[in-house]
Amino acid sequence: GAVVSQHPSRVICKSGTSVKIECRSLDFQATTMFWYRQFPKQSLMLMATSNEGSKATYEQGVEKDKFLINHASLTLSTLTVTSAHPEDSSFYICSAASGKSSYNEQFFGPGTRLTVL
Amino acid sequence: SQQGEEDPQALSIQEGENATMNCSYKTSINNLQWYRQNSGRGLVHLILIRSNEREKHSGRLRVTLDTSKKSSSLLITASRAADTASYFCATDLSGTYKYIFGTGTRLKVLA
Repeated sequence: GAVVSQHPSRVICKSGTSVKIECRSLDFQATTMFWYRQFPKQSLMLMATSNEGSKATYEQGVEKDKFLINHASLTLSTLTVTSAHPEDSSFYICSAASGKSSYNEQFFGPGTRLTVL
Repeated sequence: SQQGEEDPQALSIQEGENATMNCSYKTSINNLQWYRQNSGRGLVHLILIRSNEREKHSGRLRVTLDTSKKSSSLLITASRAADTASYFCATDLSGTYKYIFGTGTRLKVLA
């Protein structure tokens, strides 16, 4: 199957700093990428949908100025958590869709664990 | 919220027993998928069932889908300690690529 990578896998930062997380589709071109957040013992919540070359669409309640998403190429999307605070500590997972599957298949990255001190 | 619900929230069984998890969702879907997630790790895709299918098998997994009731079930037969994980259903909203995940079931299989 298609492979999606995330970098870094784990990051610890101080409160007030910004953190960038990369999501790459390694062997296919992703027309659409998705960013999810997962708090401990909870489910994945969709944060935003990004299409290559256009602005991301954010889900209700997600601050677009805090979570900056850039999908500059068909293989790379980045999520920047700006001015991170301890409540932003979470597991961030991206997924990618090629748009060619007949059943809207998404391929998930391994996740990035963010800890804000 | 459009989020689906799963029950039970937690399930503890003995090795060798069967485990059944249920998922209910709220909107029309194209397909429903089941994922496994080991603690602190990424998602592992288990099985996809399309909206026009009623049952699907993959190894020890059996998934059913009842679109009239907007529900699905995942059965793991002859469970093993290695099946210990959280299991999530995910539905895609018709006409979009979005996935909506269920609340998840934490399965613990005791050796």
